[in-house]
Amino acid sequence: AQKVTQAQTEISVVEKEDVTLDCVYETRDTTYYLFWYKQPPSGELVFLIRRNSFDEQNEISGRYSWNFQKSTSSFNFTITASQVVDSAVYFCALSESNAGNMLTFGGGTRLMVKP
Amino acid sequence: GAGVSQSPSNKVTEKGKDVELRCDPISGHTALYWYRQSLGQGLEFLIYFQGNSAPDKSGLPSDRFSAERTGGSVSTLTIQRTQQEDSAVYLCASSLSPLAGVETQYFGPGTRLLVL
Repeated sequence: AQKVTQAQTEISVVEKEDVTLDCVYETRDTTYYLFWYKQPPSGELVFLIRRNSFDEQNEISGRYSWNFQKSTSSFNFTITASQVVDSAVYFCALSESNAGNMLTFGGGTRLMVKP
Repeated sequence: GAGVSQSPSNKVTEKGKDVELRCDPISGHTALYWYRQSLGQGLEFLIYFQGNSAPDKSGLPSDRFSAERTGGSVSTLTIQRTQQEDSAVYLCASSLSPLAGVETQYFGPGTRLLVL
């Protein structure tokens, strides 16, 4: 069965600090996809990134970067020089190729960036 | 519209009443999903539609929950005889057809349901 664990329930940082959100997953599939979504106070889940299990290349998008390591079943998300607007709940999710596109979400990490 | 829309945005009902929640997916997206977000259970998958058929209903928590989709577009999630534990945010998402592989799901703003 697939499972996603986000051990950090809440993180508080001061603006301009770097912060890493951890995500560990479990799956028996060899083909799967990993996602990160952001949920700001407005409540809507905003898609950030998607990776498939065959692509371990790290990705950078502006201040955001993702580190995918199959050896440790982790897909961590780093925000560089955090800003107040980054304050939100961040969800990591997993979809197995044979699971009908169903997303299994982690419990989420609430990030608070203080000015 | 550009994104997934859901209505109503908020719904307060009395225990025992039926409610209908509506989702309008992104134009061109053939797949539609319903999830529930509650404090105790996090984000849970409810049901998935490909076109008008629902190949995966595994997440529906009880037979009080049902969903339909007509014309390959709008979907309605119906909860009969609501209970207080049904109080949650119901999120809808849509994607391109996942038949050739996993596709990214885009979410609507959700419907906040409160059962008194």
